[in-house]
Amino acid sequence: DTAVSQTPKYLVTQMGNDKSIKCEQNLGHDTMYWYKQDSKKFLKIMFSYNNKELIINETVPNRFSPKSPDKAHLNLHINSLELGDSAVYFCASSQTGSKGYEQYFGPGTRLTVT
Amino acid sequence: GNSVTQMEGPVTLSEEAFLTINCTYTATGYPSLFWYVQYPGEGLQLLLKATKADDKGSNKGFEATYRKETTSFHLEKGSVQVSDSAVYFCALSESNNDYKLSFGAGTTVTVRA
Repeated sequence: DTAVSQTPKYLVTQMGNDKSIKCEQNLGHDTMYWYKQDSKKFLKIMFSYNNKELIINETVPNRFSPKSPDKAHLNLHINSLELGDSAVYFCASSQTGSKGYEQYFGPGTRLTVT
Repeated sequence: GNSVTQMEGPVTLSEEAFLTINCTYTATGYPSLFWYVQYPGEGLQLLLKATKADDKGSNKGFEATYRKETTSFHLEKGSVQVSDSAVYFCALSESNNDYKLSFGAGTTVTVRA
């Protein structure tokens, strides 16, 4: 059983389009995250939700809108895609109060904007 | 703010060589420290962690000790294998920062047979 899953794994689209990436976790965790990994492998937090509430919102263009319909899901919608949005996007989850708050990552979604 | 600095790569080693990847951090409080590994084409996996000073995390032959006095969490393995080829990330999380992970830049390690 996959703990944190993301769909799609690959996404190729044109500039100006709107797309969504979905994330689901079956670990029973209460906190979920989105990270962006650029072409140099650098990882940066974008958003975090705890019990469906937004708790971290880094400096991300408002074209990116996360949505958490329930604790097990955190989706990422991106409007008006730009070339610079090309990256690998990782979803992660953790449980409040767990020792170290370690995060479990999904396999990533490679987004290519042409 | 919180930040993590790790040794730049890439690092290329022969099998059975000793591996060290340096990691130092800046934090305002008492962070938890992690090493994550990313194998080619895959997501990140937690390799090991330490949640307080002098703790040693270990897994798969890798070790790292939380050194508060030097604000370091260096990763070591005594004898690497080809299967250890991956990108290694040092990271920290802290309660005063909503426990978000702050990552180092990653170190690419290639082990040759």
